[in-house]
Formats: sequence, structure tokens, C-alpha cells
Amino acid sequence: KQEVTQIPAALSVPEGENLVLNCSFTDSAIYNLQWFRQDPGKGLTSLLLIQSSQREQTSGRLNASLDKSSGRSTLYIAASQPGDSATYLCAVSPQGGSEKLVFGKGMKLTVNP
Amino acid sequence: EAQVTQNPRYLITVTGKKLTVTCSQNMNHEYMSWYRQDPGLGLRQIYYSMNVEVTDKGDVPEGYKVSRKEKRNFPLILESPSPNQTSLYFCASSLIAGGPNEQFFGPGTRLTVL
Repeated sequence: KQEVTQIPAALSVPEGENLVLNCSFTDSAIYNLQWFRQDPGKGLTSLLLIQSSQREQTSGRLNASLDKSSGRSTLYIAASQPGDSATYLCAVSPQGGSEKLVFGKGMKLTVNP
Repeated sequence: EAQVTQNPRYLITVTGKKLTVTCSQNMNHEYMSWYRQDPGLGLRQIYYSMNVEVTDKGDVPEGYKVSRKEKRNFPLILESPSPNQTSLYFCASSLIAGGPNEQFFGPGTRLTVL
């Protein structure tokens, strides 16, 4: 059974720091991995999608990498800003089955001015 | 604008009173699904649909029903809601099932069952 882990559960940093958010998964048989952002009481916004054949994806100040064989992904946030404060969720799409996304429990990021 | 919409966004109801949460997407997506999000448990899939008239159970289907009569709509039905169904619900869709597709999420429906 696929399990996705995000550690730590929360992180508080001063503005301007470069951040690395970690995600690990137990089964490497995945179609892709998505990183989402969730603001309090709001929906999920897709940040980056990495296909299983890719090593990384970039969007603005965000860069996500995928090492499928070791079951790890990292989300790198450059020059963090208070507006980056949110919960970041990692999710994998397992091959076969219901095509559901298996989510980690998220990491709550607070960027202090 | 390409989007997934849900209604209502907020709902407070009482135990046993049937309710429906609607979900609609305008991207001609084949695959749709429902998740619930609970503190400490994360997001868990309730039901999913590969296409019109094709639905199946996810991880936590008890107490829920769905239907997929049209491609764009995938309503979630609670025939007899109970307090343990108080949660934040998300509808999601993707182009097709079984492939490397990005999933798009609706804004969420916060349900409270008293």
C-alpha cells in the first residue's frame, strides 16, 4: 500500500530563506507526483507536476525534483516570502487501481516578515 | 476559465437529512473523484468515476453515493448524514484515468453535521 510522508509537519522561517520541503513515498510504481498548495480553509492549487520519467520541474521560484528509485521528491522554494505561507501537500498517482492520488499529510509553512 | 466548481461551499445540516454536494467541470475531463480532508488523516478518496456511468469506491465510501449521468457532473450524495461525515470535501478531475495526468481540484465544501 502506497504511503506518502512529509517531514516536518510544520516549518517557520524568516523571509528570504531558501527552503527545501521533503516528500517520501514507499512504492516507486507511480505515474507522477504533484505538489499542491493549500491556504487555510481553501482548495488545493496545483504547483508542479512531475511525470515519472522526469527528474525535475520548475515554475518561477519553485523547483521540484523527483528520485523515483529512492522514493523521494523535494520542493525547493527560493527567496521565500510571507505570501508563501500555506500548507504544502505532496501527492503521488500510483500505477494501476483507482488512479487516486495518495497524499501526504502536508507541511505547514510560515514565512515571517 | 477552466475550472472545477462545487456547491454549496459551506453547509450545516442535521443528522439524517439527505443532502447533495454538486461538482461540475468544464474541461471535458473523463475522470472525476471525491476526497474528504480531516485533521490528522489528510485527504482520502471517497468515490471515483472513470467516465459516464462508470463509478467505483475509493478508500472511504461508507455513507456516500455518487452518480455520473453526464460527463461534466459528479454529485456526492449523503443519504443519511452523520456527525462523523463532518469534513472538508473536494471534487477533482483529470483528462483521463490511468495516465500521467494532472488533477484539478474544486474549492472545497465544508460540511458540518450536527
